[in-house]
Amino acid sequence: AQKITQTQPGMFVQEKEAVTLDCTYDTSDPSYGLFWYKQPSSGEMIFLIYQGSYDQQNATEGRYSLNFQKARKSANLVISASQLGDSAMYFCANEAGSYQLTFGKGTKLSVIP
Amino acid sequence: NAGVTQTPKFQVLKTGQSMTLQCAQDMNHNSMYWYRQDPGMGLRLIYYSASEGTTDKGEVPNGYNVSRLNKREFSLRLESAAPSQTSVYFCASSDQDRGSGELFFGEGSRLTVL
Repeated sequence: AQKITQTQPGMFVQEKEAVTLDCTYDTSDPSYGLFWYKQPSSGEMIFLIYQGSYDQQNATEGRYSLNFQKARKSANLVISASQLGDSAMYFCANEAGSYQLTFGKGTKLSVIP
Repeated sequence: NAGVTQTPKFQVLKTGQSMTLQCAQDMNHNSMYWYRQDPGMGLRLIYYSASEGTTDKGEVPNGYNVSRLNKREFSLRLESAAPSQTSVYFCASSDQDRGSGELFFGEGSRLTVL
């Protein structure tokens, strides 16, 4: 079974600063994918970024980057130049060839003006 | 672009009542999913359907049934609702052939069981 751990229930960051949200995963499958989703207070789930286990480079999407450390089984999300609209819940998820995503419990990010 | 559409968005039930949550996607995706989200628990998979005609249990299937009516539609049924099923339910779909398996979510359905 897959397991995703997000150890930070809540985080604060100053506007325009960078922030790192932690995620560790546990899987025995050699091929897997890692995802980050954002859930604003309105409730919808927004896909942010994806990293495949065989990808050689860390994934980036605009202000989002995924710091993938395979040996440590970590997939931290880095948000650069935080904006007020980044305040939301952030979920890390793992998929390992079973058509299922397993989600962590989430981190609530609050951006301070 | 409709994407994934769930109905109803809100529902209040009494213990023992039954109801069906409907989900439809217009992206021609093969795989569809039902998740529930509870405070502090993240999203947990109830059932999924890897392709039309197949369904499988996820992490928390007890008390639920599903039907993959066709490629577009995947419904979730509560036969005898219990207060423990008070939750926000999300339907999602994905195109596994794309490789990344990104999930596209509906807006969620908030269910309260009294």
